[in-house]
Amino acid sequence: AQSVTQLGSHVSVSEGALVLLRCNYSSSVPPYLFWYVQYPNQGLQLLLKYTSAATLVKGINGFEAEFKKSETSFHLTKPSAHMSDAAEYFCAVSQPSGGSYIPTFGRGTSLIVHP
Amino acid sequence: DAGVTQSPTHLIKTRGQQVTLRCSPKSGHDTVSWYQQALGQGPQFIFQYYEEEERQRGNFPDRFSGHQFPNYSSELNVNALLLGDSALYLCASSLAEEYNSPLHFGNGTRLTVT
Repeated sequence: AQSVTQLGSHVSVSEGALVLLRCNYSSSVPPYLFWYVQYPNQGLQLLLKYTSAATLVKGINGFEAEFKKSETSFHLTKPSAHMSDAAEYFCAVSQPSGGSYIPTFGRGTSLIVHP
Repeated sequence: DAGVTQSPTHLIKTRGQQVTLRCSPKSGHDTVSWYQQALGQGPQFIFQYYEEEERQRGNFPDRFSGHQFPNYSSELNVNALLLGDSALYLCASSLAEEYNSPLHFGNGTRLTVT
């Protein structure tokens, strides 16, 4: 079985500060990992994905995530927060099931950016 | 290139009623997945359709059913609505031949059951 734990339902940072959103996963096989972002009244949009090619993955809007197998973590970071980064962020893990891949999502972390 | 479109955007129903939600996948995609997102929660997988058949199903009761049409569009039907069915229903599309490709989401249908 696969599962995702996102530590902290809310993270608050000042504009220009480092963003760190935490994600730990559980998977019985090497996983595929994703980060999605959801802006108000919209669907989810892919930020980045890990597919075992490289442990440090760069995504859109300056975000990146590092896969650490020993810690079963896939934390999302951005060096300098911008007001437009305020949104809900979801980590997801995916592994094969019945011939297809069905992502399991975490509960989400709301990023609040203060001016 | 049209993305995933869902209709309607909002819907209000009464307990016990039935509802149908619609989804058109991103152009070129052949697989449609449906998710339920309760307020303050992550999306929960309902089921996935490919080649007009339900390929995978999450932990949802039989009141939730679906259909995929030859043009790859899809419907989600919910019977005997409960208050707890109030949520944002998200449709996501992907391409089966792209191994574990990311999902492309629509903006969702907000269902309120009173």
